[in-house]
Amino acid sequence: NAGVTQTPKFQVLKTGQSMTLQCAQDMNHEYMSWYRQDPGMGLRLIHYSVGAGITDQGEVPNGYNVSRSTTEDFPLRLLSAAPSQTSVYFCASRTGKGNYGYTFGSGTRLTVV
Amino acid sequence: QQQVKQSPQSLIVQKGGISIINCAYENTAFDYFPWYQQFPGKGPALLIAIRPDVSEKKEGRFTISFNKSAKQFSLHIMDSQPGDSATYFCAASIAGNTPLVFGKGTRLSVIA
Repeated sequence: NAGVTQTPKFQVLKTGQSMTLQCAQDMNHEYMSWYRQDPGMGLRLIHYSVGAGITDQGEVPNGYNVSRSTTEDFPLRLLSAAPSQTSVYFCASRTGKGNYGYTFGSGTRLTVV
Repeated sequence: QQQVKQSPQSLIVQKGGISIINCAYENTAFDYFPWYQQFPGKGPALLIAIRPDVSEKKEGRFTISFNKSAKQFSLHIMDSQPGDSATYFCAASIAGNTPLVFGKGTRLSVIA
């Protein structure tokens, strides 16, 4: 049981490049979310999903796309990277039944130059 | 509009002392209030959580106090230890339906 796995752990992109941050969970959790963490800003919600095929925007969705084709995977796509997207990205998941605590991955540290 | 306001931003406590972190929320529909602990280079981990039908929940040295009328909740760490040094986040959600909304975090340092 690996929990929530994020890849890569570190990434440097040039402005305008695109990439996909991967997130996979093996707990059969229905709910998955992407957050970004910036100094002094806490954790801000980018996109979330309540099940396969269902996604919705969070607080800071601009510049990011998501899809949820399977229960296990919830990739985050940066369409055209900008320096403002330099951040640490966390994926989290939880069951939809009763226990509302989220399990977080270990994060992806992204730098856009 | 920030839905969950957390204070202080940073906190220094002597070993053995009590650490207190406070949060206030706006949305009265929130009904799930967790606290997360984050060590450098790691993802946040659920520490303790409370629902509004109780005013206090205790797990070991960690206690959540909840004041529904004031729309406030707080984390108390008793007998604080250097190993408790971390960043703590409060959060809130409408338990069955919405993702977590986080406070901005408190960096706790416990010094010997």
